[in-house]
Amino acid sequence: KAGVTQTPRYLIKTRGQQVTLSCSPISGHRSVSWYQQTPGQGLQFLFEYFSETQRNKGNFPGRFSGRQFSNSRSEMNVSTLELGDSALYLCASRGTGTVNYEQYFGPGTRLTVT
Amino acid sequence: GENVEQHPSTLSVQEGDSAVIKCTYSDSASNYFPWYKQELGKRPQLIIDIRSNVGEKKDQRIAVTLNKTAKHFSLHITETQPEDSAVYFCAAKTGNTGKLIFGQGTTLQVKP
Repeated sequence: KAGVTQTPRYLIKTRGQQVTLSCSPISGHRSVSWYQQTPGQGLQFLFEYFSETQRNKGNFPGRFSGRQFSNSRSEMNVSTLELGDSALYLCASRGTGTVNYEQYFGPGTRLTVT
Repeated sequence: GENVEQHPSTLSVQEGDSAVIKCTYSDSASNYFPWYKQELGKRPQLIIDIRSNVGEKKDQRIAVTLNKTAKHFSLHITETQPEDSAVYFCAAKTGNTGKLIFGQGTTLQVKP
């Protein structure tokens, strides 16, 4: 099976702009989670989507939002970008059910806000 | 709130020695504990995991132990090799959601 893919891989934006990141999960996986990785804060959970519904949300402001499509692909949007939003954004997919706990990460999107 | 503490933050060992990384979690309902290895510029890679109904799991040179009473779990790497050099993250999950709470990471350096 192909792994988790993310586009774009790199992005440079200016403060105040908005950005949309995309994640395609492993075929058959219906759960997609998003994480922000920074040197100072480590890996922090943003939200999880399952069957087009947000299932869980981390402690991030409302500027961070997401959605999931019927084919399980997910997008994450950040509005009114701030310098502190510069980070590696990772998505991870997993199968569903009580036996499928393993999450597999995509390569990430490196966002730089100037 | 939910929290995972990871120690040490850096670890340097000689090739062939063992390395141990320890994590403590706060939510007693946590039921799944994965370990990820992240090489520079690459994605986190799942290397081993353990569920709350198991005390120990081993896969070749790596093993994980879980002590539910003390709420801590550890990663053990034996016969370390230079290619083991990376940042290692522990994590904990509660319930059937995908929310992983990560430790702060351990930078492991294996000296040839």
